[in-house]
Amino acid sequence: NAGVTQTPKFQVLKTGQSMTLQCAQDMNHEYMSWYRQDPGMGLRLIHYSVGAGITDQGEVPNGYNVSRSTTEDFPLRLLSAAPSQTSVYFCASSRQDTYGYTFGSGTRLTVV
Amino acid sequence: AQSVTQLDSHVSVSEGTPVLLRCNYSSSYSPSLFWYVQHPNKGLQLLLKYTSAATLVKGINGFEAEFKKSETSFHLTKPSAHMSDAAEYFCVVSEGTGGFKTIFGAGTRLFVKA
Repeated sequence: NAGVTQTPKFQVLKTGQSMTLQCAQDMNHEYMSWYRQDPGMGLRLIHYSVGAGITDQGEVPNGYNVSRSTTEDFPLRLLSAAPSQTSVYFCASSRQDTYGYTFGSGTRLTVV
Repeated sequence: AQSVTQLDSHVSVSEGTPVLLRCNYSSSYSPSLFWYVQHPNKGLQLLLKYTSAATLVKGINGFEAEFKKSETSFHLTKPSAHMSDAAEYFCVVSEGTGGFKTIFGAGTRLFVKA
């Protein structure tokens, strides 16, 4: 049972490049979410999904897109990377919002 | 609207002494409450959760938390700190009224001195 798998673990992008952060879970969880973590700012919600085909914006959605075509996968797309998107990104999943979340190990992204 | 406040951004204790990390919440409903731990350069791990059963909740690694509705608090405690407890701890509230209602606190960094 792998839990929540995030790839890649590290990435360096140039300003203006696009990329997709992958997130997959094998627990048949309906709820999935993406957070970014920056020093002194805690965890900020980017986008979330309450089931396949359903996504919504969180606190800091600008510059990011998501889709949820399957229950297992919830990729996060950076459309045109900016230095302000340098951060650690975490994906999480849960059976329901009140069950507690399982987190991936994170992707450390640097935009130069 | 719900909210969660972690009252200390940093807590420092000596090894072998008690740990207290404070969390207050606000919710119009009967919320579920959680504590997560994040060790350096790692993901978050669920420590314990309260979901309207016993008000004293026991978690992993000797941690426990007590839900006090009258004080709207959910403080995390451990009788004796270990060096391996040094990490960041997040208090989380979820109203459970449907949809996505999970709110994270800002975190408390725990330092453990030898």
